[in-house]
Amino acid sequence: GAGVSQTPSNKVTEKGKYVELRCDPISGHTALYWYRQSLGQGPEFLIYFQGTGAADDSGLPNDRFFAVRPEGSVSTLKIQRTERGDSAVYLCASSRTAGINEQFFGPGTRLTVL
Amino acid sequence: SQKIEQNSEALNIQEGKTATLTCNYTNYSPAYLQWYRQDPGRGPVFLLLIRENEKEKRKERLKVTFDTTLKQSLFHITASQPADSATYLCALGRDNAGNMLTFGGGTRLMVKP
Repeated sequence: GAGVSQTPSNKVTEKGKYVELRCDPISGHTALYWYRQSLGQGPEFLIYFQGTGAADDSGLPNDRFFAVRPEGSVSTLKIQRTERGDSAVYLCASSRTAGINEQFFGPGTRLTVL
Repeated sequence: SQKIEQNSEALNIQEGKTATLTCNYTNYSPAYLQWYRQDPGRGPVFLLLIRENEKEKRKERLKVTFDTTLKQSLFHITASQPADSATYLCALGRDNAGNMLTFGGGTRLMVKP
C-alpha cells in the first residue's frame, strides 16, 4: 500500500520568501507528526496533529512556522519569511493513533534557503 | 536539559559479527524507546519498540535492551550483513505525550564484506 508521501522532494527558495511543504499520510492514520532534520543530526520534533487539531506545537521554533491539517488527512507546513537557518530536511510521519506505536515516515522535503 | 546520546562516530564491523549500538539519556524519564533505521536520502524506518517495564525485545537478528537504572538502551544486530549498513536512531517517548518522539543523533553502521 501507499506510504507517507511528501511534496516537493526539494525546494530551493530565497531568504524572506514563503514556502509550503505538503504531507500525505497513510490513509486512516489519525496522528501526523512534523520533524526537522539537519545534516548529521537526528530528527527534531516540530508539531503533531491528532485528527484536525494541533495537539502539541511546542517544537515550532518561532511564529514564522505554522502547520494545518484541515480535514484530518493532508497536512501543510508553512514557513514565512524564510531564513538561511531554516535549511534542513523536513520529515513528516503518521501513525494509526497517537498512542504508543510505530511512526511511518515520508522521504522528506529538502529545503534550501539561499 | 534533556540529552540523548548516541555514538557520533561511525561503527565499522566485519560481516558476520554482532554490531552493538548504544543510546544513553539524561534528564529524561521515557516510558518507551524506539529504534529506527535511516538510509541516505530517506526517512527513518521503524525497527523495534521497547517499554520501560521490558528488559529485552527481539525481532529476527535484532535485539534491544532497556535499562532504566543505567538510563541506557543497547541495540544489537547479530550476523551482520553489508545490507545492514545505515544510520540507526534511538527515539524516546513519554506517556500521555501523543507518541511525540525525541531522537538521538544517530550512529552510522558500516558492515564490511
